[in-house]
Amino acid sequence: AQSVTQLDSHVSVSEGTPVLLRCNYSSSYSPSLFWYVQHPNKGLQLLLKYTSAATLVKGINGFEAEFKKSETSFHLTKPSAHMSDAAEYFCVVSDGSTGGFKTIFGAGTRLFVKA
Amino acid sequence: DAGVIQSPRHEVTEMGQEVTLRCKPISGHNSLFWYRQTMMRGLELLIYFNNNVPIDDSGMPEDRFSAKMPNASFSTLKIQPSEPRDSAVYFCASKGTGNTGELFFGEGSRLTVL
Repeated sequence: AQSVTQLDSHVSVSEGTPVLLRCNYSSSYSPSLFWYVQHPNKGLQLLLKYTSAATLVKGINGFEAEFKKSETSFHLTKPSAHMSDAAEYFCVVSDGSTGGFKTIFGAGTRLFVKA
Repeated sequence: DAGVIQSPRHEVTEMGQEVTLRCKPISGHNSLFWYRQTMMRGLELLIYFNNNVPIDDSGMPEDRFSAKMPNASFSTLKIQPSEPRDSAVYFCASKGTGNTGELFFGEGSRLTVL
């Protein structure tokens, strides 16, 4: 069975300060992990993905995430927040236990960026 | 590539009416997913198809909901009869072959049932 837990429902940072959005996963197989971003009234857009290659993954808009198998974590970070980063972020796990078809979404973390 | 196309973008209807939401996946993608998003429940997987065949519909809330995928380029999600608690944003997503592929989402269909 696979699952994903986003440890914070809301995160608030000031513009120009670092961002950390935490995600832990559980998977019986080697997982693929993703972070998606959803801006208000929009669909979800892929930020980055881990698929068993390099453990440090770089994505769009300066975001990156590190896969840590020992900690079963895939936290999302950005060195310096921008106002346009305010959105909801979803951590996602997908593995081969269901033929690779089933993708599990976390509950989401809403990021607020203060001026 | 036009991406995943959903229609209508917004639908307002009265309780008891039939609602049909449509989705055109990205050409060449062989998996299609329907999600529902609400403030209370977040993002819920309703059903997914692989090669036009429904694989898992355990997320469909009740018999009022049905989904079809008659061919590789079209899917519908139907609610009959609709109820106010069905008000939500419904997303369609598609994925290419392989279990490492990402999901590509449409812009969503916002449904309001009065």
